[in-house]
Order: sequence, then C-alpha cells, then structure tokens
Amino acid sequence: EAQVTQNPRYLITVTGKKLTVTCSQNMNHEYMSWYRQDPGLGLRQIYYSMNVEVTDKGDVPEGYKVSRKEKRNFPLILESPSPNQTSLYFCASSRRGVSSYNSPLHFGNGTRLTVT
Amino acid sequence: GESVGLHLPTLSVQEGDNSIINCAYSNSASDYFIWYKQESGKGPQFIIDIRSNMDKRQGQRVTVLLNKTVKHLSLQIAATQPGDSAVYFCAETPNNAGNMLTFGGGTRLMVKP
Repeated sequence: EAQVTQNPRYLITVTGKKLTVTCSQNMNHEYMSWYRQDPGLGLRQIYYSMNVEVTDKGDVPEGYKVSRKEKRNFPLILESPSPNQTSLYFCASSRRGVSSYNSPLHFGNGTRLTVT
Repeated sequence: GESVGLHLPTLSVQEGDNSIINCAYSNSASDYFIWYKQESGKGPQFIIDIRSNMDKRQGQRVTVLLNKTVKHLSLQIAATQPGDSAVYFCAETPNNAGNMLTFGGGTRLMVKP
C-alpha cells in the first residue's frame, strides 16, 4: 500500500532533550516536506526537500533540522526542543513537487509532540 | 482523534444537500490551488486541484471554482454524505515560490443525518 509513515505517533519529552521524528515513503517520490499544525495557525511548512541531499527552509524552520540521505526517508530533528514546539507534525511527499500539476501531496497520519 | 484547530469556521449541512466551502487568497502570483480534506486523527488528503488558467474543474461529486478577479476559490460537494464530515483546507502555491505550499485556515464541515 502506498503510504507515508511517521513514527512515533505520540511523543512526550522534556525541554532540551534531542529527538527525531522519522518519516518514510514507499512511492519513490522526489519531494518530501514537514509541516506543523497549530490551532488558529493552520498548517505551516518547516522544511522541504526536492531530492536526495537537497533541502530548503519553509516558513518556520527555526529550531528544526532535516536530512535527506536516502530518497525514501526524511527525518525531522529537534536538537533542543522547547515548549513552543509542542504541536502536531505532518510529513508529506509528492512525485515531483507541490507546484507540479497532478503531483499531489500525500500526508502521513501525524505525530503529536508535547514538550514540557 | 487529533484536534486540527479551535474556532474554525463551521458549515453545517443536511445529508443529501450540496455543500459550498469558500476560500480567499491574497497572493495574486498564486497559480496553482489545491483542496485537502482532513478527518479526525488523520493527515490531510488530496481532493482536487486547479491551475490558474482554468476557472472550473470537476471530479467525482466535487467541483472547484476559481475566480482570479476577486482571488476566491470554492469547493462544491454534491449530495453531501456523512463521510464528508471533516475539515477542508485550501492551499496555494505561487509560480515564483519554488516548492512551498501555503495553507488556508480550514473550514469544518458537519453533515447532519
């Protein structure tokens, strides 16, 4: 089944403790992206990647890192999490990029992160 | 399930009626628009898209209308069903913004049986 898989689904951590949220897609998509979703602010893009070893900042990249060493994986790294990073995070992928017609984003089911 | 937002505009419709969800955008350079549906506990799911050189596109039970003059996008759902209950987001990407997608705030659709 074609899908985007995020892990973990729920994560509770403390301020400053490094964490990684994994994302994997099995559709051989070139484009991958991370979003955070907050009440009243909607979905905001954190980072995206057009292909292996190519990453770019989105709207809200501060406090996050990403890497794209393999086509299928795009982990989100929080080196020193803070309470304002408490949010619902989504990974997404698409065949060629979000500006391309008939190349819709496929989303994972989300990771609920709480930083205390 | 996961909460996707507080104080979202809500549209309540009777099962079988047609639904119209609206979205205003501000960037006149936007040339590609997408509608997503998000059910509780899940990620957004692609519904339909439209390019700025079109003003209407139809899918199965859904129609997207684009009015570039007033920067307005709408999603029409015919014969709304209980399974259509979800939060609906429009998204846009300008032709000069690389591969960044900007989402609207969302509208919650509630279908009454």
